[in-house]
Amino acid sequence: GENVEQHPSTLSVQEGDSAVIKCTYSDSASNYFPWYKQELGKRPQLIIDIRSNVGEKKDQRIAVTLNKTAKHFSLHITETQPEDSAVYFCAANSAGNMLTFGGGTRLMVKP
Amino acid sequence: EAGVAQSPRYKIIEKRQSVAFWCNPISGHATLYWYQQILGQGPKLLIQFQNNGVVDDSQLPKDRFSAERLKGVDSTLKIQPAKLEDSAVYLCASSLGGSSEAFFGQGTRLTVV
Repeated sequence: GENVEQHPSTLSVQEGDSAVIKCTYSDSASNYFPWYKQELGKRPQLIIDIRSNVGEKKDQRIAVTLNKTAKHFSLHITETQPEDSAVYFCAANSAGNMLTFGGGTRLMVKP
Repeated sequence: EAGVAQSPRYKIIEKRQSVAFWCNPISGHATLYWYQQILGQGPKLLIQFQNNGVVDDSQLPKDRFSAERLKGVDSTLKIQPAKLEDSAVYLCASSLGGSSEAFFGQGTRLTVV
């Protein structure tokens, strides 16, 4: 089955700096890669996703890049703000559109 | 639109007892997932339904966990008997199917003592 690895597990940045979270996946047939944000005690919520027919997607301060050859994808957050502090999860689909999640990255943005 | 509904929000039981969780997905969503999220970890898929059929349950501990999705709408997840290591948040999610966004419910926080 699919295996998704996520790094780093924790990330601390100063407000205004950029943050980058990286994920690798194992199933070369995966074609959908969402990113979820989970605030303490709340449900995971989709912030951006990318499909395998594009290499990059951007939405305001958030961007995701995908390298299908290397089987890795990354989340980039620019101009970080304290409200960006949360746990971020990457995921990848596999046969039957099963969604496998990475272990999460705790992002802390220091004011 | 209404989101994914789960109940109860919290449950505390003793080990060896049984417990059941309920999920009502977003109307029209064919795919329903149950995830287990242990504190500090990512969600782990337990079972995935497509309408009322099981797509994958390879990570479901079938000796103690069971799930059903009657009529392809609501779903229940049961644990019998519970172990201490079952303490986690159980998240239900639904999607239209295919490569589409999965929407999560608030989850049920289970504590086994």
